[in-house]
Amino acid sequence: EVQLLESGGGLVQPGGSLRLSCAASGFTFVGYTMSWVRQAPGKGLEWVSGISGSGTNTKYIDSVKGRFTISRDNSKNTLYLQMNSLRAEDTAVYYCAKDPYGDYTGWFDPWGQGTLVTVFS
Amino acid sequence: QSALTQPASVSGSPGQSITISCTGTSSDVGTYSLVSWYQQHPGKAPKLMIYEVSKRPSGVSNRFSGSKSGNTASLTISGLQAEDEADYYCCSYARSSTYVVFGGGTKLTVL
Repeated sequence: EVQLLESGGGLVQPGGSLRLSCAASGFTFVGYTMSWVRQAPGKGLEWVSGISGSGTNTKYIDSVKGRFTISRDNSKNTLYLQMNSLRAEDTAVYYCAKDPYGDYTGWFDPWGQGTLVTVFS
Repeated sequence: QSALTQPASVSGSPGQSITISCTGTSSDVGTYSLVSWYQQHPGKAPKLMIYEVSKRPSGVSNRFSGSKSGNTASLTISGLQAEDEADYYCCSYARSSTYVVFGGGTKLTVL
C-alpha cells in the first residue's frame, strides 16, 4: 500500500523558516515525480512545487520562487520542502502528493494526511 | 481567485444526480485531457475520484463520472448518497501556469 506521511509543520514568525518532510513507502520512490500542494484555512487547493524522480527537474509557483526549495533523498524515500522567508499568506496545510507516472502528468494519487504550517506575528 | 471556476455549492437529495462544472480556458481545460477531480471530506486529505477527464481509479464507485466539452469539464454523481457530501475540486494541467491549476472547490450538500 502506498503511504505518504508528512511532518515538520508548526508555528513560525514571519521571516522564519521551516523544513517539511514527506516519508514515502509502498512504491519505488525514485520512479515518480512528487509534489507539494497547500490549502489555506477554509480555502481551496493550490499546487506549490514539484520535483522529478531524479530530482533534476523542479517547478514552483511564482509566489514561492526564491523562498521555497523542493528536494528529495531517494535513498531515504523522503521528499522535502525547505521554506524560508515565510509570510502570513503561506499559512496552510501542506500535502505531499504522488504523480501517477514518472513524469509530470497533471494529477495526484495518493495524498498524504497533511501538515499544518502557521505563520503568525 | 482560482484559475478554474466552479460553483461554490450544489445540493441534491439521496438517489438524485448532480453535476459540478469546472470552467477554464484554452490554455488548460480546453487543450489538455488532463482534468482530474478530488473529493475532500472535512479535516481529511483530498482523494482522487476522476483522472484524465473521465477515468475512474480502482475502488471509486461507478456513480462518479467525468466529461469535458470545450473549456468546461464536469463531474456527475448519480444515485447520491449521504457519504458523497464533501468538497469537490477540479484540476487541470495548464500551459499558462507552471504546472497545474485547481478550481475553487464546490461544496456538495446531500439534503
